[in-house]
Amino acid sequence: DGGITQSPKYLFRKEGQNVTLSCEQNLNHDAMYWYRQDPGQGLRLIYYSQIVNDFQKGDIAEGYSVSREKKESFPLTVTSAQKNPTAFYLCASSIRGRNTEAFFGQGTRLTVV
Amino acid sequence: GENVEQHPSTLSVQEGDSAVIKCTYSDSASNYFPWYKQELGKRPQLIIDIRSNVGEKKDQRIAVTLNKTAKHFSLHITETQPEDSAVYFCAASTDNAGNMLTFGGGTRLMVKP
Repeated sequence: DGGITQSPKYLFRKEGQNVTLSCEQNLNHDAMYWYRQDPGQGLRLIYYSQIVNDFQKGDIAEGYSVSREKKESFPLTVTSAQKNPTAFYLCASSIRGRNTEAFFGQGTRLTVV
Repeated sequence: GENVEQHPSTLSVQEGDSAVIKCTYSDSASNYFPWYKQELGKRPQLIIDIRSNVGEKKDQRIAVTLNKTAKHFSLHITETQPEDSAVYFCAASTDNAGNMLTFGGGTRLMVKP
């Protein structure tokens, strides 16, 4: 289903805890992205990676961290430093270096309780 | 950096009518403009895209127009159907940014039967 998988679909976190969102793709894409979606707003870029072992901050990177140890995987950690972490998180991947279609995962809805 | 504005934020039309969604962008170097459709609870999916070397592109009931001079582009949906109801996002990117998309705030389209 789409070639890019996010897990879990729903996630609850207590304040002060770090949590990691999983994103895996089997599309052989070099580039991967994390976006945050809040109600009534567009998608805002958190981090992106164009190649293994390299990643760059997006527009709203504060309070988040990522790693890119494998081409297929781009996990996002929401740290306790993120002031307002409750949101819908979308992972995407695409062919590197060219403007082509970005394929999205089904998203993870994170709620801080 | 790039800034993309999208209007209107909500749009209600009668089934069979046309719908138009407009976006403006700030970076004159942007050369790729995709449109994504996100149905309730689902992932965004590409429905049409246009590159800066063309002014219009059509795919059945949907079309996109681009005015590079004015830095705006629009999505046109004709003969709307209830299944067109969704949130639509425009986006822009440049070759220099690879496929790092900057999204508009989204338009919630409601097609009334």
